[in-house]
Amino acid sequence: GQNIDQPTEMTATEGAIVQINCTYQTSGFNGLFWYQQHAGEAPTFLSYNVLDGLEEKGRFSSFLSRSKGYSYLLLKELQMKDSASYLCAVIDSNYQLIWGAGTKLIIKP
Amino acid sequence: ETGVTQTPRHLVMGMTNKKSLKCEQHLGHNAMYWYKQSAKKPLELMFVYSLEERVENNSVPSRFSPECPNSSHLFLHLHTLQPEDSALYLCASSQTVQGVESEANYGYTFGSGTRLTVV
Repeated sequence: GQNIDQPTEMTATEGAIVQINCTYQTSGFNGLFWYQQHAGEAPTFLSYNVLDGLEEKGRFSSFLSRSKGYSYLLLKELQMKDSASYLCAVIDSNYQLIWGAGTKLIIKP
Repeated sequence: ETGVTQTPRHLVMGMTNKKSLKCEQHLGHNAMYWYKQSAKKPLELMFVYSLEERVENNSVPSRFSPECPNSSHLFLHLHTLQPEDSALYLCASSQTVQGVESEANYGYTFGSGTRLTVV
């Protein structure tokens, strides 16, 4: 079967750096998304990776290794507003989106 | 208004009621989706409409009935639901371009969801 694994919950300190990992086993690969979802709000697009390597967007970076079936989202200079759930999703060979259960990130002062 | 709008934000209904969820997108996208989000579970795709035609129904029970009257509007009609149907129901839209693998093809814009409680 197809599977996306990410930690259920993580805690980090304001101003610090946190890395949220995502591993996947899917039938084919056509790209990987990261979305952010604040409680009670819509998921919003953060990043898209289809080639190996690191994509940087301001305080957020996303890394992909297709050979390892692995991605991570790196958040720097954490702010209280970064407290949210982070969803990893993979596009499989049929161009279907396979979603992880999300990682709830708690930021402490 | 911009983006994807869902109404109502919250809904409590009995198992014998009939209700409808509404989704409207103002982005000019050609595909719309219904997802179910339960606590600590991955998003579950329920229905996909592309160019107003249903292209996927992931074995969803018949007590959920979608309707897509035009490319901007999507409804989810609910009847005789069960308590286990309580969840957050998310609508999303995207602009799909055949054969093109890009962010434009797969980036979804989500609505804020309807929090459904079945009692």
